[in-house]
Amino acid sequence: QKEVEQDPGPLSVPEGAIVSLNCTYSNSAFQYFMWYRQYSRKGPELLMYTYSSGNKEDGRFTAQVDKSSKYISLFIRDSQPSDSATYLCATLRGKLIFGQGTELSVKP
Amino acid sequence: GAGVSQSPRYKVAKRGQDVALRCDPISGHVSLFWYQQALGQGPEFLTYFQNEAQLDKSGLPSDRFFAERPEGSVSTLKIQRTQQEDSAVYLCASSSRRTGMVGEQFFGPGTRLTVL
Repeated sequence: QKEVEQDPGPLSVPEGAIVSLNCTYSNSAFQYFMWYRQYSRKGPELLMYTYSSGNKEDGRFTAQVDKSSKYISLFIRDSQPSDSATYLCATLRGKLIFGQGTELSVKP
Repeated sequence: GAGVSQSPRYKVAKRGQDVALRCDPISGHVSLFWYQQALGQGPEFLTYFQNEAQLDKSGLPSDRFFAERPEGSVSTLKIQRTQQEDSAVYLCASSSRRTGMVGEQFFGPGTRLTVL
């Protein structure tokens, strides 16, 4: 079993939709949770990170961590075609431990 | 400013060939990481340097993989006697912080290795 599991998708939504991306993790000792965005043929770039449980909002993006269920979510409001990319959840144990990635396509 | 750069961007090797992949981290960054990303998968950790010291090489899949960072800046990942299962994108990331501390890892664009 991988330490971080992620719905692989692909996910296709119309422009303006609310997108929900989800991951689960196995080790309750994990404290930091990150979301990375990776465009085709590019390296991952950090979108946002949260510490422990709770929500964090940045513009159209909201990251949520529920430590009781070991569940990580990223919500994208008013999705745009430019949001089309692969989204990777990750946790930190010195090194980054990534989920499989979810490929998102936002259609105009 | 300049980000993390990697070269070559694409490499095709015949099975059994040796390859060397280069990473130029952001100037002054202490930490340097190598990750391997197979098609349709998330990146997986290979090895970590703090300055010139290789502190963690637990992710290297076999003794055919070797990494170095002799002067604490540029790093090279070498793969000897390449096999088809080595085909992947190899990502380099650097960070201004030491491992164990939360600090953004900045990724390069990766080197896409195809072994025929």
